[in-house]
Amino acid sequence: GIQVEQSPPDLILQEGANSTLRCNFSDSVNNLQWFHQNPWGQLINLFYIPSGTKQNGRLSATTVATERYSLLYISSSQTTDSGVYFCAVQGGSQGNLIFGKGTKLSVKP
Amino acid sequence: ETGVTQSPTHLIKTRGQQVTLRCSSQSGHNTVSWYQQALGQGPQFIFQYYREEENGRGNFPPRFSGLQFPNYSSELNVNALELDDSALYLCASSLTGREGYTFGSGTRLTVV
Repeated sequence: GIQVEQSPPDLILQEGANSTLRCNFSDSVNNLQWFHQNPWGQLINLFYIPSGTKQNGRLSATTVATERYSLLYISSSQTTDSGVYFCAVQGGSQGNLIFGKGTKLSVKP
Repeated sequence: ETGVTQSPTHLIKTRGQQVTLRCSSQSGHNTVSWYQQALGQGPQFIFQYYREEENGRGNFPPRFSGLQFPNYSSELNVNALELDDSALYLCASSLTGREGYTFGSGTRLTVV
């Protein structure tokens, strides 16, 4: 099956700093989503981005499908950005999401 | 537009018991999938339903079973609970299963 690798596994930032999270996947995918998991466990959808670039406020994402990777950019980080960021891809016949292990982000005041 | 809602939010069960978790999909979504998330791990796919039929299953034993109802809400049933079943169970819905998924807040199950 498709393998999803996220890096770095952990990231500590000072408030106001910028960061880049990476997601590599091992095969062609039909869908790619970035999620933020809040402290209560809910997965908040950030981007649905099988290819191209999207921006939403301080967050943006780029997926280069031909090279099998996606990047999530967080600018001017805030303490509320803390949590775990997951990349998930969808491919093959079943269509379920396959998740990476996540990047745990801690933003310090 | 309501999102995905799950109940209960927390549950404690004894090993060997059975449990039923519930999920109401986002309005208009006919595809529902369930995931298990162990502590410190990414969510793992359990199974998916599309218009009341199971159309995909992950690597989980048969004691994990489910249903989808005509209103597209869904249940996850787990029989003969084991300690390793302790996890966050997440439900997600999608319009057709080929676009983005929306997740609920999850049910945290503890098996003692």
